[in-house]
Amino acid sequence: AQSVTQLDSQVPVFEEAPVELRCNYSSSVSVYLFWYVQYPNQGLQLLLKYLSGSTLVKGINGFEAEFNKSQTSFHLRKPSVHISDTAEYFCAVTLTGTASKLTFGTGTRLQVTL
Amino acid sequence: DGGITQSPKYLFRKEGQNVTLSCEQNLNHDAMYWYRQDPGQGLRLIYYSQIVNDFQKGDIAEGYSVSREKKESFPLTVTSAQKNPTAFYLCASSSSGVRDTQYFGPGTRLTVL
Repeated sequence: AQSVTQLDSQVPVFEEAPVELRCNYSSSVSVYLFWYVQYPNQGLQLLLKYLSGSTLVKGINGFEAEFNKSQTSFHLRKPSVHISDTAEYFCAVTLTGTASKLTFGTGTRLQVTL
Repeated sequence: DGGITQSPKYLFRKEGQNVTLSCEQNLNHDAMYWYRQDPGQGLRLIYYSQIVNDFQKGDIAEGYSVSREKKESFPLTVTSAQKNPTAFYLCASSSSGVRDTQYFGPGTRLTVL
């Protein structure tokens, strides 16, 4: 079975600074990878996803992520964060050949301050 | 506007009572899901349904039940057998396949007193 590890439970950062949220997965077969964002007391919204092709994936709100198969990672990055990026970020993985069951990481709380 | 509706947003129940959480979607999606979210644990899959009149247990199905009588509706019942039901419950839907994005509702926060 697949699993996802988000190494940082909280990441504090100043506004306009760059940020990287780390995600590692474990699977012996091909996977699809997703990043979702959750604002307080709301549902999740897709930021971006990797299915195939280019390993650099661009998403909404200026976020991007790079799929690294050799390191089994899918880290999320943004070159300059804004106060409004304060939220919980979840990495998720699913196996390519199975029914559509997502396995989520435990989340990273991004706190942007002035 | 297309989307997923969950009601109510906040729900309080006494211990020992069954409670049903509503989830409706007008996205014409085949697949629907129920997740439970607890602080520091991410989302855990309770049940999912890929087609009307069919559903499968997820990772933490014990103490929960579902039905899928209509394509647009996937209600979740939290039974008295669920030992720790207080949590944030999220419903999601997707077109069908594993590549498809899951779209989430706003969630229902259930508190059992």
